[in-house]
Amino acid sequence: KAGVTQTPRYLIKTRGQQVTLSCSPISGHRSVSWYQQTPGQGLQFLFEYFSETQRNKGNFPGRFSGRQFSNSRSEMNVSTLELGDSALYLCASSQGRDFLTDTQYFGPGTRLTVL
Amino acid sequence: ELKVEQNPLFLSMQEGKNYTIYCNYSTTSDRLYWYRQDPGKSLESLFVLLSNGAVKQEGRLMASLDTKARLSTLHITAAVHDLSATYFCAGSNFGNEKLTFGTGTRLTIIP
Repeated sequence: KAGVTQTPRYLIKTRGQQVTLSCSPISGHRSVSWYQQTPGQGLQFLFEYFSETQRNKGNFPGRFSGRQFSNSRSEMNVSTLELGDSALYLCASSQGRDFLTDTQYFGPGTRLTVL
Repeated sequence: ELKVEQNPLFLSMQEGKNYTIYCNYSTTSDRLYWYRQDPGKSLESLFVLLSNGAVKQEGRLMASLDTKARLSTLHITAAVHDLSATYFCAGSNFGNEKLTFGTGTRLTIIP
């Protein structure tokens, strides 16, 4: 079974630009979550989508947005990039139901550098 | 709001020794996870713990959960170099996929 895939793996942008990251979940998984990882703040939850609907949202500004398509693939968009947005962005997929041992499986991440 | 704390942040240990990483959480967490991250890599799921007294083992790693103390531990037995990585614990609650992570413990095994 293929794992979670993310594209692109690396991205360099300049301040003020916008960026779109893509995530394809494990087949059969309907929930996709996004996390930001930085040395200073650690791993922080951005948002989660299930069946094309945002179910949960973390404490990030409105510049961070996402969506999910009918095939469960998800995209994350960051507008008006700031230097502080440089991070590893991780996508995770899970079945998204309250199975007791439902586990989130992470993709390889997209390393975003903002200059 | 769930908060998760790990200690120690850094751990350097010799091969063959035993050690424990601690994970405290602030409020009820229905699920407690342990993940491993190698440098420059993504997160690999190790364990999910649900109930008080739960214990899971995989190779030289054993995780346990004490819901009354709001404490989970990851015990490393007879460490080998391949276990060098950063280990994260994370909590979540049913009905909410959000994982709240601890700060991570960077483990270095010295030959």
